[in-house]
Amino acid sequence: DAGVIQSPRHEVTEMGQEVTLRCKPISGHNSLFWYRQTMMRGLELLIYFNNNVPIDDSGMPEDRFSAKMPNASFSTLKIQPSEPRDSAVYFCASSLTGDFNQPQHFGDGTRLSIL
Amino acid sequence: DQQVKQNSPSLSVQEGRISILNCDYTNSMFDYFLWYKKYPAEGPTFLISISSIKDKNEDGRFTVFLNKSAKHLSLHIVPSQPGDSAVYFCAEIQGAQKLVFGQGTRLTINP
Repeated sequence: DAGVIQSPRHEVTEMGQEVTLRCKPISGHNSLFWYRQTMMRGLELLIYFNNNVPIDDSGMPEDRFSAKMPNASFSTLKIQPSEPRDSAVYFCASSLTGDFNQPQHFGDGTRLSIL
Repeated sequence: DQQVKQNSPSLSVQEGRISILNCDYTNSMFDYFLWYKKYPAEGPTFLISISSIKDKNEDGRFTVFLNKSAKHLSLHIVPSQPGDSAVYFCAEIQGAQKLVFGQGTRLTINP
């Protein structure tokens, strides 16, 4: 079975550019999560969706960040405009239900570098 | 902020011996804890969990212990194997709507 698929695996771009990260959750999973991992703050939840609906976006750092889930098999995390402090590894995860005690299945992440 | 702390950034253990990874938390509400394991260039993978109504949960070589009075949980791996070398994160569900991760402990199993 395919796991959570993220693209691109690596992204290097200049400050001010728009960045779009993509995620395909595991088929049949109803919840999708976006995380960011940095040295300073570790792994932080940015936003999560249940049945394609955003439930909690309190972890989104600024208005420059936005996330969408137009259907059950695709989500995007967009940063516009990007800044060097956005450099991090961004993970997408999915789970069967929105219960947090359900194991979350993570993608391999997108390593983002903003120059 | 309710915090989850893994105070040891790294741990080195000899193959075959027991590895003990520790995690402290500050929240005092009913909670659920999970351990994830992460290899380089991969996403975290779920390992084992425990509800705060229990004090122990075991799955093969992995056992998690929960000491509610001390607000401390630990993951025991025995016997440790080279493939266990990874970064281990403890995580706590807070308020049923948030999963808070510790900073991680890098475990190295030496042959």
